[in-house]
Amino acid sequence: AQTVTQSQPEMSVQEAETVTLSCTYDTSESDYYLFWYKQPPSRQMILVIRQEAYKQQNATENRFSVNFQKAAKSFSLKISDSQLGDAAMYFCAYRSKETSGSRLTFGEGTQLTVNP
Amino acid sequence: ETGVTQTPRHLVMGMTNKKSLKCEQHLGHNAMYWYKQSAKKPLELMFVYNFKEQTENNSVPSRFSPECPNSSHLFLHLHTLQPEDSALYLCASSQVAVYGDEQFFGPGTRLTVL
Repeated sequence: AQTVTQSQPEMSVQEAETVTLSCTYDTSESDYYLFWYKQPPSRQMILVIRQEAYKQQNATENRFSVNFQKAAKSFSLKISDSQLGDAAMYFCAYRSKETSGSRLTFGEGTQLTVNP
Repeated sequence: ETGVTQTPRHLVMGMTNKKSLKCEQHLGHNAMYWYKQSAKKPLELMFVYNFKEQTENNSVPSRFSPECPNSSHLFLHLHTLQPEDSALYLCASSQVAVYGDEQFFGPGTRLTVL
């Protein structure tokens, strides 16, 4: 079974600075999807960024980018020019391509605080 | 309304009560999901419906009973719950239940079982 680990329960960053959230996962599969979701205090989960394992190029979405290290099974999220609205719980998630079904396996989450 | 909506937003119930959570999606999706989010634990997938058919049941106790009458609506019927069932219950939808499609989440129902 796949597992996802986020080793940083809490992180903080100054507004306009850059912060990196860590995520590692364990799988025996070679092809899969990885996601970062954001859950603000309103509780609505929002997809931030998605990475396909067979793509070597790291995904980027505006101020959000990932560092995908397949051999190390690492998938970190970098937030540049942090804004107050980035404050939220961030979840890393894994989704298999090789097994049937649509299960997302989530990490425990990292609570990000943005200081003005 | 747009997106995924959930009602009620908060629910307090006793262990002998019967209640239902409702989820509605206005995105034209064909797959819907129930997740449980407990404090300090990862989100847990409970059920998946694809084109109104249940395709996954993640060993959920029978005191949770899902119902999907059509692709836009998903219910979670609750009966004889335990205090440890207190959690945030999130509904999500996606185009179809395939591997990489984005899941859109509702705001959740905060359930407290006394």
